[in-house]
Amino acid sequence: GAGVSQSPRYKVAKRGQDVALRCDPISGHVSLFWYQQALGQGPEFLTYFQNEAQLDKSGLPSDRFFAERPEGSVSTLKIQRTQQEDSAVYLCASSLNRDQPQHFGDGTRLSIL
Amino acid sequence: DAKTTQPPSMDCAEGRAANLPCNHSTISGNEYVYWYRQIHSQGPQYIIHGLKNNETNEMASLIITEDRKSSTLILPHATLRDTAVYYCIVSDTGNQFYFGTGTSLTVIP
Repeated sequence: GAGVSQSPRYKVAKRGQDVALRCDPISGHVSLFWYQQALGQGPEFLTYFQNEAQLDKSGLPSDRFFAERPEGSVSTLKIQRTQQEDSAVYLCASSLNRDQPQHFGDGTRLSIL
Repeated sequence: DAKTTQPPSMDCAEGRAANLPCNHSTISGNEYVYWYRQIHSQGPQYIIHGLKNNETNEMASLIITEDRKSSTLILPHATLRDTAVYYCIVSDTGNQFYFGTGTSLTVIP
């Protein structure tokens, strides 16, 4: 498809397990963002890539959260030793370049039991 | 922290114009005003953005005051499918967005 694709759409994990969430940005988009959205709240910034370089990771809540984009296209958000407070929707967005709006995927809904 | 202030909720009659206000009194000269909306279980959808001038596209119009401290998103003929949470965001190009809690718009038949 032409939009940002995220997988899986839903993920259930037990507390303490590691999870990996995938984002396929729009082809050719240089910038990629990850956001976390808790129930009833607006999305909150996690991290930002320009091509393969992670330029801002100030929003990552702890060192259990790790993101990568090794070839400047697909990105993976990894959460280690998950905790219940990690339950949220994780949104990925991409933009063609710095001057263009961000386009969002439909997110991965993560539930930690 | 979100740099914008929006009313938490609004209603609009179907077929009428929906006018959604946003205050951004601390906006800086190089920050754009963006509007997104989010329908349940979907990601935010881009609507429109602007810097100084009013903007119009196939979805909406954006009116920015001359001092740039506030703006209004106008949906000219609201339909039931416009029911969503609308976010007003100010940001430098390429930087992270601060969403806040937005305005929940309900279009009433």
